[in-house]
Formats: sequence, structure tokens, C-alpha cells
Amino acid sequence: DAKTTQPPSMDCAEGRAANLPCNHSTISGNEYVYWYRQIHSQGPQYIIHGLKNNETNEMASLIITEDRKSSTLILPHATLRDTAVYYCIVRVAYGGATNKLIFGTGTLLAVQP
Amino acid sequence: GAVVSQHPSRVICKSGTSVKIECRSLDFQATTMFWYRQFPKQSLMLMATSNEGSKATYEQGVEKDKFLINHASLTLSTLTVTSAHPEDSSFYICSAREGTGWNNSPLHFGNGTRLTVT
Repeated sequence: DAKTTQPPSMDCAEGRAANLPCNHSTISGNEYVYWYRQIHSQGPQYIIHGLKNNETNEMASLIITEDRKSSTLILPHATLRDTAVYYCIVRVAYGGATNKLIFGTGTLLAVQP
Repeated sequence: GAVVSQHPSRVICKSGTSVKIECRSLDFQATTMFWYRQFPKQSLMLMATSNEGSKATYEQGVEKDKFLINHASLTLSTLTVTSAHPEDSSFYICSAREGTGWNNSPLHFGNGTRLTVT
């Protein structure tokens, strides 16, 4: 299983961009990178995912390095409500419908006023 | 967007009793659902994969006779914690993915069930 490494915590000033790094040096060619976040006492919320190209949606941007060994999640204008634990996950794939997500320890992003 | 609903959101039960948690996909069909458990200040731990119409697949170390999973329809999976003990107190979270087969659609998560066993 491809493993991810994230810093345990980060701070970001409100209104500034939050850049959350993730290392996944053992990722396989057909494994996707997913980002979720979990606000305290809630279920995880899907943010974005990608394979090799950079991706952007209404929540965030995902930048994946050319060698795919690392990625960065960018929240362009962080707000206090973005304070959460952010999980970078490489999807474990066994084919068929039973591919599953294994969560690591994530990064606690604290957005400061 | 896809919505996954869990019920109840909180439950308190006495030691030795059983508790059933429901997970429903509200606006899509889910052949596969996943059950996670999360202890305080820890990450989510995958417990089992719930497959509609067949037996669940449990992760190593998870007792299948203690955590009974039933996935009787394409929109409902249930987790029953049998003979609950205080150490089973945890945050239980389900997730589901739209569609079937090999695809890259994301998992959608319920808002979790806080179980407290007294």
C-alpha cells in the first residue's frame, strides 16, 4: 500500500493561502491522490482528488509533482471555518468495487484570525 | 451532491446490550459501503467493507461476530455492536461511493455516530 507522510500541524493566517504538503513516494501509476478534511466531531468531507494533472474545484487546488511522489493542497483564501484535520490519501486499489481509503494521521490546520 | 446519512448521531447504552447504527445513501445507490471507527485524537480506522447482497469483509483484528454488518439494499447498511462494553465507546463513521466497479469517484461520509457504553 502506498503510504503518505504529512506534517502533524500547520498554522495559516485568515485570508492567506494555505499550502498543505503530502509525500507519497511509493505511489503506483494507477493510484489516485485524494484529499479529505475532518472538522471536529464530524465525518470527513471530500475536497479533491487527482491522478497526475493538477486539479482545481470550488474548494481547493491540487498540485501533483511530475514524478507524482508528492502533492500540495492549496486553499486559496483560508477562513476560520477551514480549521480542520486534512488527510492526504492514496487510494488502495484491488480492482472492482472494493478499493478502499486508508487514513493516515493527517495535518491539523489551524487558521488564525 | 451525494449525501450519506447516519442514524443515530449519538447513542448511550448499557454494557452488555447491542446497538444498531444505520447508514443510508440518500440520493445514489451504493453497492459498497465502508465502516470506520475513530477513537479520541486518533485517525479513522477502517473496520470493514460492506457489500450489498454478500458478506462483509473485515479488516485484520476486527471481530466479525462482535460487529455485525448487514447490507440488505443498495441504499442501506447497518452496523450492530453486539454485547457492547465500555472499550467499544467510539465514533463510528460510514462511507459510500456512487456507482460500481473500478472508478475514481470519491467516497462520501456520514456525520458519524458517537457511541458511549456505560
